[in-house]
Amino acid sequence: GEDVEQSLFLSVREGDSSVINCTYTDSSSTYLYWYKQEPGAGLQLLTYIFSNMDMKQDQRLTVLLNKKDKHLSLRIADTQTGDSAIYFCAESWASYDKVIFGPGTSLSVIP
Amino acid sequence: DSGVTQTPKHLITATGQRVTLRCSPRSGDLSVYWYQQSLDQGLQFLIQYYNGEERAKGNILERFSAQQFPDLHSELNLSSLELGDSALYFCASSVQGGTGELFFGEGSRLTVL
Repeated sequence: GEDVEQSLFLSVREGDSSVINCTYTDSSSTYLYWYKQEPGAGLQLLTYIFSNMDMKQDQRLTVLLNKKDKHLSLRIADTQTGDSAIYFCAESWASYDKVIFGPGTSLSVIP
Repeated sequence: DSGVTQTPKHLITATGQRVTLRCSPRSGDLSVYWYQQSLDQGLQFLIQYYNGEERAKGNILERFSAQQFPDLHSELNLSSLELGDSALYFCASSVQGGTGELFFGEGSRLTVL
C-alpha cells in the first residue's frame, strides 16, 4: 500500500542536531526523498537515497535508511534558524513514477 | 526559481463554480504532476501526465480533470466546487530518468467561499 508517516512537529535549539523520522509501507520503493518547504513556497528536493543504500551524507545532512523496518531518517547537524521549514519524506518506485509524500514535519528552530 | 510556472497564484470563487489552474513545466521536462495540499490531508497526489498521456492517477475526484497539451503545459480543471476544495494546488515537473526529482511551482491557492 501507499502510506508514508511522519511526526508532525519537531522543535530544537539552534546549534543542536535535528532528527526527522519517517516510515513507509511499500518495501518495493526504490527512491526515497526528503523535500523542504519554506513558508509560501513550493517544495524543493533536499536529498535522496536509493533503496540499496544504508546511508548518505551531504554536508550537514545525513540520511539513514533501514529497509528492514521501512524507516528513513534525516539528520540535520548544527541546526540553524534558516532550517525552520516543513520537511517531507517521499517515496517512488521508479524515477518516472508518481511520488507519494508523507504529511510533513514542521521543524521549529529556537534561537 | 524552479522553472515551473503556475497561474493564477491566488483564486477566490464561490461554491458550485468551475476554475482552471495552469502549469508550465520546466523547459525539456515531459512529466507533469498535480498535488493538492490542505491542512487536514497533507500533500495528496492527484494525477501525472507524461508527454501528453495520463500516466498515473491518485486521489483525484471525478469533479476534477486534467490534461497535458502538445506544448507540454498542463491544466487542472476543478468543477462544482465545494468548500472543502479550498487548498493549495501544486504542479511539479520532472525529466525522464535520473533521480526522479520533482521541481515544484509556487502553487495556486484556491479559496472557495
